[in-house]
Amino acid sequence: DVKVTQSSRYLVKRTGEKVFLECVQDMDHENMFWYRQDPGLGLRLIYFSYDVKMKEKGDIPEGYSVSREKKERFSLILESASTNQTSMYLCASSPDRGQYFGPGTRLTVT
Amino acid sequence: EDKVVQSPLSLVVHEGDTVTLNCSYEVTNFRSLLWYKQEKKAPTFLFMLTSSGIEKKSGRLSSILDKKELFSILNITATQTGDSAVYLCALGNYGQNFVFGPGTRLSVLP
Repeated sequence: DVKVTQSSRYLVKRTGEKVFLECVQDMDHENMFWYRQDPGLGLRLIYFSYDVKMKEKGDIPEGYSVSREKKERFSLILESASTNQTSMYLCASSPDRGQYFGPGTRLTVT
Repeated sequence: EDKVVQSPLSLVVHEGDTVTLNCSYEVTNFRSLLWYKQEKKAPTFLFMLTSSGIEKKSGRLSSILDKKELFSILNITATQTGDSAVYLCALGNYGQNFVFGPGTRLSVLP
């Protein structure tokens, strides 16, 4: 079974804090993704990575950065959290043409 | 720009009914089409479709792809209250990322 884990299920941070969200997959997948999901807006791609140290911007990269130093780990960084980044963050991992999601991190920025 | 449209956006049925959910798309380089079920957590993978006309089945759920007319349908027969969820359609392209539709919210009443 493919396993994608995320470091926290729930997180509360203050405006201006630096936030790290971590995602780990155990299936040696090349591609990893970060999405945010908001009511009425669906799933929106923030960044994805197709190899170690490689990254591509998705639809809404502003205010975010990512890091992929090891194949199994893909981190999403909010350099200075803002209230409009309150959302559900979903990490996904892809072996080829499919995609498997982690459990999600619900981030609240106050 | 790749695009995924789902219809209806919302559907209410009674247990035992059969439902058909629609997904149409526009894509530059088609690679795969995926269906997910999302309850109050991360999406769970249902089907991946890559070839036209080949039905995928899993219990009461089935799905088929028409690459000529650019759509897919997800059928659920003999619906149960546990089928209540948001059903997401996603398009995989050769850019190695995935574009999600807005989802269809299905409510199955007892």
